[in-house]
Amino acid sequence: QSALTQPASVSGSPGQSITISCTGSSSDVGSYNPVSWYQQHPGKAPKLIIYEGKNRPSGLSSRFSGSRSGNTASLTISGLQAEDEAEYYCCAYAGRSIVIFGGGTKVTVL
Amino acid sequence: QVQLVQSGAEVKKPGASVKVSCKASGYTFTYHTMNWVRQAPGQGLEWMGWINAGNGNTRYSQNFQGRVTITVDTSATTTYMELSSLRAEDTTVYYCARDLGLPGPAFDSWGQGTLVSVSS
Repeated sequence: QSALTQPASVSGSPGQSITISCTGSSSDVGSYNPVSWYQQHPGKAPKLIIYEGKNRPSGLSSRFSGSRSGNTASLTISGLQAEDEAEYYCCAYAGRSIVIFGGGTKVTVL
Repeated sequence: QVQLVQSGAEVKKPGASVKVSCKASGYTFTYHTMNWVRQAPGQGLEWMGWINAGNGNTRYSQNFQGRVTITVDTSATTTYMELSSLRAEDTTVYYCARDLGLPGPAFDSWGQGTLVSVSS
């Protein structure tokens, strides 16, 4: 199974909105398999920030939102803050409960 | 609260095997699937496999070609990941992660990670 495709890096200024794309195929992202998103700071374990494509875990900031169109899922971070600087990964099933991750996107707050 | 506590760092020689444990607490253990994910230094996340803690069913990534085995001890609320025929590129951090059991993957709790170093 191939990894999902994410941009290597995205940057933005404080207060701006950025969007990270996650492109798969009709077998994974496009097959209505919900995507999840994870935030990872250096030296830390990943943290779930979006599940079932657009749902946020309890207590997570509403600045994070998820969506999907065709074979591409997207994570939008609005009102960018310094603490949002991290690596972000998308994740989906690729059929028969096989899990695949995106390659990761480094978000830099300018 | 949900906690996943993994075993400590390991140093192994090429060709050896390693077994990493993940002790769970704070929830009904058998209600959830446990996944194992690894991450090489400076690299992305790589899924290895999962085990249904309730019935022991497993699913593995083809990338490990039969080298990985995930098991569970429900009495100890612990899952284990064993990787055999170790090589240098297996030097990574290994994580366990609980799945919420929704239609899509949703790993809501993660262990602290276990560094496995493979070197002659």
